[in-house]
Amino acid sequence: QKEVEQDPGPLSVPEGAIVSLNCTYSNSAFQYFMWYRQYSRKGPELLMYTYSSGNKEDGRFTAQVDKSSKYISLFIRDSQPSDSATYLCAMRRNYGQNFVFGPGTRLSVLP
Amino acid sequence: DAGVTQSPTHLIKTRGQQVTLRCSPKSGHDTVSWYQQALGQGPQFIFQYYEEEERQRGNFPDRFSGHQFPNYSSELNVNALLLGDSALYLCASSEEPGNTIYFGEGSWLTVV
Repeated sequence: QKEVEQDPGPLSVPEGAIVSLNCTYSNSAFQYFMWYRQYSRKGPELLMYTYSSGNKEDGRFTAQVDKSSKYISLFIRDSQPSDSATYLCAMRRNYGQNFVFGPGTRLSVLP
Repeated sequence: DAGVTQSPTHLIKTRGQQVTLRCSPKSGHDTVSWYQQALGQGPQFIFQYYEEEERQRGNFPDRFSGHQFPNYSSELNVNALLLGDSALYLCASSEEPGNTIYFGEGSWLTVV
């Protein structure tokens, strides 16, 4: 079993839809969680960074962490075609440790 | 403010050859990490450099080595290239080893 799992997709939604992207993990020691967006043939771009359980909102994006279930989510409201990309979750145990990435979920938002 | 810059952007090498990839961190950042991303996969941690020393290393063979220079820039070297080394090599920098990492656009390596 991989440490971090994501639905590979591709996930296709119409413009304006609410998108839910999810990651599950097996190591309960993970404490720091991040979401990156990666456009085709580009480097990953940081979207959200959370530490504790609960929700964190930034514009159209909301990151949710449930440590008891070892489950994190990224919600995108009013999705746009420009949101079409691969979304990567990443996490680490302690400050200073390297990040472990999920395999990514490919999202297509159709106009 | 320049972000993380990497060179070259694309290169093709033959099996058995050696390759050097270069990275300049974001201004104000002193820590550089290298990741390998195979097609359709998430980035895999190779190693991290801080204060010119390898601080952490992932599960990669000794064919992968690196260096950090006094100006915080870094190189990734891969010897005896295998076909399976074909991937996007990403450099990421941070203000210190524990902080949030920011990626460059990557170097696409194809081994034939």
